[in-house]
Amino acid sequence: GAVVSQHPSWVICKSGTSVKIECRSLDFQATTMFWYRQFPKQSLMLMATSNEGSKATYEQGVEKDKFLINHASLTLSTLTVTSAHPEDSSFYICSATGTSGRVNNEQFFGPGTRLTVL
Amino acid sequence: GQSLEQPSEVTAVEGAIVQINCTYQTSGFYGLSWYQQHDGGAPTFLSYNGLDGLEETGRFSSFLSRSDSYGYLLLQELQMKDSASYFCAVITGGFKTIFGAGTRLFVKA
Repeated sequence: GAVVSQHPSWVICKSGTSVKIECRSLDFQATTMFWYRQFPKQSLMLMATSNEGSKATYEQGVEKDKFLINHASLTLSTLTVTSAHPEDSSFYICSATGTSGRVNNEQFFGPGTRLTVL
Repeated sequence: GQSLEQPSEVTAVEGAIVQINCTYQTSGFYGLSWYQQHDGGAPTFLSYNGLDGLEETGRFSSFLSRSDSYGYLLLQELQMKDSASYFCAVITGGFKTIFGAGTRLFVKA
């Protein structure tokens, strides 16, 4: 099956710093990538949708200047949390879909990145 | 608005059958997916229904009724490892996926 990786798997940072999270599709071309945030025991909340080579589409209430998304290639998308604060501490998960996944709309999820802001 | 409703918790015993229901109200609908998530892990895809009816994949089956905006996930021959959270998710335009709040399944011996 299709594999999506994320790096780092966890990160601890000081308040006010920026953190970059990478999402890679390892064995397929991801035409669309999604970024989610999940707080403990809650659902996945879609933050933004990114298509390769174009600007990301952010969900209502998500600050585009705080959560910078770049989808520079068909295998890589990055999420940068700028000036992180403790309330940004969460589990960030990316997913990807390619042309093959569109047969059943399957999204392939990365393992997630746990961000803790002190 | 967009909303998905599913029970918050279900408890069942090993070997039993459990059904997790999902009703939805969304603007735009292409299909209903189900995902499993163990604590600390990422969601894994279980099934997708684009058309009305039942889809079967091993011990798991999923059903959709578009006219009723309703679907369910059926898990048979429950095993302890099935203890996890199960999310229904609606696929809307642009492959955007809206997730339900999740159902925590506890399987007891």
